[in-house]
Amino acid sequence: DTGVSQDPRHKITKRGQNVTFRCDPISEHNRLYWYRQTLGQGPEFLTYFQNEAQLEKSRLLSDRFSAERPKGSFSTLEIQRTEQGDSAMYLCASSIGKAETQYFGPGTRLLVL
Amino acid sequence: AQSVTQPDIHITVSEGASLELRCNYSYGATPYLFWYVQSPGQGLQLLLKYFSGDTLVQGIKGFEAEFKRSQSSFNLRKPSVHWSDAAEYFCAVGNSGGYQKVTFGTGTKLQVIP
Repeated sequence: DTGVSQDPRHKITKRGQNVTFRCDPISEHNRLYWYRQTLGQGPEFLTYFQNEAQLEKSRLLSDRFSAERPKGSFSTLEIQRTEQGDSAMYLCASSIGKAETQYFGPGTRLLVL
Repeated sequence: AQSVTQPDIHITVSEGASLELRCNYSYGATPYLFWYVQSPGQGLQLLLKYFSGDTLVQGIKGFEAEFKRSQSSFNLRKPSVHWSDAAEYFCAVGNSGGYQKVTFGTGTKLQVIP
């Protein structure tokens, strides 16, 4: 068990560019979550996958955001046409079952200039 | 909708003193409750959780929390704080429905002074 990993850890981009983040959950965890955390706030739920199916999306996830988990293992979160308001820490978490604890990765910190 | 309130944005305690961080939740059914800790620039580490059973929950690093249904509270406590406990602490509530949607509070930043 190597824990949840995220790549990259930091990303600086210019407004209007596209960015993609990757999350590798704990192996055999079938549930994967994305959260966004802005300065001074707690994490806010963005989306949830059970295996490869995306079952829930927050209203925070505008049409510029897309997430995939193609084979039920790693996941990607893409932001198109980034805006300065997208600057935040993007956290990924995984769990093995419905009532089980979510384990968080170290996050990807995005700065949009 | 579920929600969490952490009324203290920032708390300062002396090393060796006791600590209590407050958390109030709102949820219609029996909640799943969590405390996470986050060091600067890092992800979240689970301290403890309550799903059911004994309302006094023991966690890692000497932390404990007590679930009080009548007060809708889940306060975090530690009898003697260490300098390494300085971090931000998040209380969270999870639903007992179809999937584990977790809602976090805004966090309490703990400063420990020598």
